[in-house]
Amino acid sequence: DAGITQSPRYKITETGRQVTLMCHQTWSHSYMFWYRQDLGHGLRLIYYSAAADITDKGEVPDGYVVSRSKTENFPLTLESATRSQTSVYFCASSDPGLVAGELFFGEGSRLTVL
Amino acid sequence: ELKVEQNPLFLSMQEGKNYTIYCNYSTTSDRLYWYRQDPGKSLESLFVLLSNGAVKQEGRLMASLDTKARLSTLHITAAVHDLSATYFCAVVPNTGNQFYFGTGTSLTVIP
Repeated sequence: DAGITQSPRYKITETGRQVTLMCHQTWSHSYMFWYRQDLGHGLRLIYYSAAADITDKGEVPDGYVVSRSKTENFPLTLESATRSQTSVYFCASSDPGLVAGELFFGEGSRLTVL
Repeated sequence: ELKVEQNPLFLSMQEGKNYTIYCNYSTTSDRLYWYRQDPGKSLESLFVLLSNGAVKQEGRLMASLDTKARLSTLHITAAVHDLSATYFCAVVPNTGNQFYFGTGTSLTVIP
């Protein structure tokens, strides 16, 4: 399917466990982003990537790891999950070379850390 | 620190009324975006504003951008229930390609 897909859509895990959220896009957009959404905070940028093998920290990177070996994939790993990482995570992509350059979002991954 | 401030954060309005949501930002930018989010859903692009004075309209919504004032507005005309959602503005600084979001405006249109 064309677009941007996230998996899993829902995940419940325990404190201290490692969790990986997957993100796949079919547009060949150069930029990919991970945001978390929490009540009262809007969307906060965790990490972003300008191209394969190029990643950079956003506003709230602590406790997260990303990689981008292929343009289309941008997984987000919580190495040792904490309750404060309970959130809805959105992956997004954009291509600044396009006229509008807007951000396109996946459906979100709702993570609960017990 | 780059800031994007929206107000109001919560808006309850009657059907048929007009209102404006404001988005102020603290960086130099010619790119501003408006998104809509329904409860439990993802964000959907509404408007793309790419220059000073840009104005876009879609149905009962109209967005504008004043880059000198670092201000964008989202004007709602004759609100209907279907417009109930959370609206976000997002700014991309001229020096980069990251999107910075406001905290959102939760709009409820009351019949």
